[in-house]
Amino acid sequence: GAVVSQHPSWVICKSGTSVKIECRSLDFQATTMFWYRQFPKQSLMLMATSNEGSKATYEQGVEKDKFLINHASLTLSTLTVTSAHPEDSSFYICSARDGGTTQETQYFGPGTRLLVL
Amino acid sequence: ELKVEQNPLFLSMQEGKNYTIYCNYSTTSDRLYWYRQDPGKSLESLFVLLSNGAVKQEGRLMASLDTKARLSTLHITAAVHDLSATYFCPNSGGSNYKLTFGKGTLLTVNP
Repeated sequence: GAVVSQHPSWVICKSGTSVKIECRSLDFQATTMFWYRQFPKQSLMLMATSNEGSKATYEQGVEKDKFLINHASLTLSTLTVTSAHPEDSSFYICSARDGGTTQETQYFGPGTRLLVL
Repeated sequence: ELKVEQNPLFLSMQEGKNYTIYCNYSTTSDRLYWYRQDPGKSLESLFVLLSNGAVKQEGRLMASLDTKARLSTLHITAAVHDLSATYFCPNSGGSNYKLTFGKGTLLTVNP
C-alpha cells in the first residue's frame, strides 16, 4: 500500500515553544490531507482538513491560530503547534487520501508524539 | 451529523474462537473503512467498503457493509493472539472525505 511518513516521530519541548510536524505522502499525490489528535485510550479526533494550495478547514473547537496548517505541495502538509502548553501533549497523526485509485483509501502516517514540559 | 457506534467496545476472546464486531453509523455514508491500531502505533488500513453488500476478506478477517441498515461488521474467524489490537470503523460521506471515528473496539485474544 501507499506510504505516508511523519517527522519527527517524537518531540519533547518546553512550554511556550512552537513545534512543526511534517506529513509526506511518499508514493502518491495527496490533494487532501487530514490532521488528527489522539489522547491516551481515546479515539482519533479530526483537527483539520488540509487541501493543497488553499487554507485548511478546521473542526469546531480547534484554534486555527494555535494549530497552523500549511499544505504547500501535493506531497507535503505541515502542522505547527504554536506556543505549546502541557495540555497540547498528545499523539498527532496525519492521513492522506489517495484519490488516484478506485479504492479511495486513506493512509495514515506513523504519528508524532508531542510532550510539552 | 455523522456518528459511528461500535459494539462491543471491549472484547476478550480465546484463541480459536469466532466473533463479530458491529459498527452502526447514523446517516448515509459513501465509504466505510476498517482500520487496526496496535498499542503505541498509528492506524493500519484493513478494508475499504464502497457499496451496499460489499464483502471483503483478508486472512481471518471478513468485513461487510449493509448501507440500508447502516451497519458494517468485522467477523473474526479462529482468532489468534496477533489479532489483538484496537479496531476502528470510520466512515465518510460527501465530497470532503472526512472520516468520522467511533470509540473503537479493543480486542484481546488470549492463548
